[in-house]
Amino acid sequence: DTEVTQTPKHLVMGMTNKKSLKCEQHMGHRAMYWYKQKAKKPPELMFVYSYEKLSINESVPSRFSPECPNSSLLNLHLHALQPEDSALYLCASSQEDTETYEQYFGPGTRLTVT
Amino acid sequence: LAKTTQPISMDSYEGQEVNITCSHNNIATNDYITWYQQFPSQGPRFIIQGYKTKVTNEVASLFIPADRKSSTLSLPRVSLSDTAVYYCLVGPLYGQNFVFGPGTRLSVLP
Repeated sequence: DTEVTQTPKHLVMGMTNKKSLKCEQHMGHRAMYWYKQKAKKPPELMFVYSYEKLSINESVPSRFSPECPNSSLLNLHLHALQPEDSALYLCASSQEDTETYEQYFGPGTRLTVT
Repeated sequence: LAKTTQPISMDSYEGQEVNITCSHNNIATNDYITWYQQFPSQGPRFIIQGYKTKVTNEVASLFIPADRKSSTLSLPRVSLSDTAVYYCLVGPLYGQNFVFGPGTRLSVLP
């Protein structure tokens, strides 16, 4: 199984809502990532978890809160978002300590903030 | 992290070979070059990775000159389904801080 799954596929939320994005992989990967991608732009790294510990936080606003409950799951909790946060949110995973610079990406969650 | 530059867009016809060049003048000694493909509304997909000379797999070839300041992704005999954005990334093998360049939007025409 070389698949990363993300739910929901689409999400519309108001600026006062609280919602969560979910990501799951069963490849035994120990690194998991969140990216944000605006239309016609490259993905931008937000967070990296390595062995279930947050290892990289790219100065993301606190209205985005990541969580890694176990090595297969990654959540992104959203609260008080702004319309400019509307984007495709991508989750990815990768092996640690292997001779490949390869990440496996999920299909993304299309988020619209109204 | 080495900054990369790529052409913004390219057009090709079905059956042709497509070469996309990426410039990375400040590549570090321990940096590798990796290419990803992304279709609309999908996550990027790993294509190929290399350090020097030439790497080939079932999908593409990657050519890296001796000075490693650039690299070329070669797609043989493209089809309409190869229409996508292609990203060049440069970084250390065990690095986690992926920085995607601007990407090249390839359009394959019938």
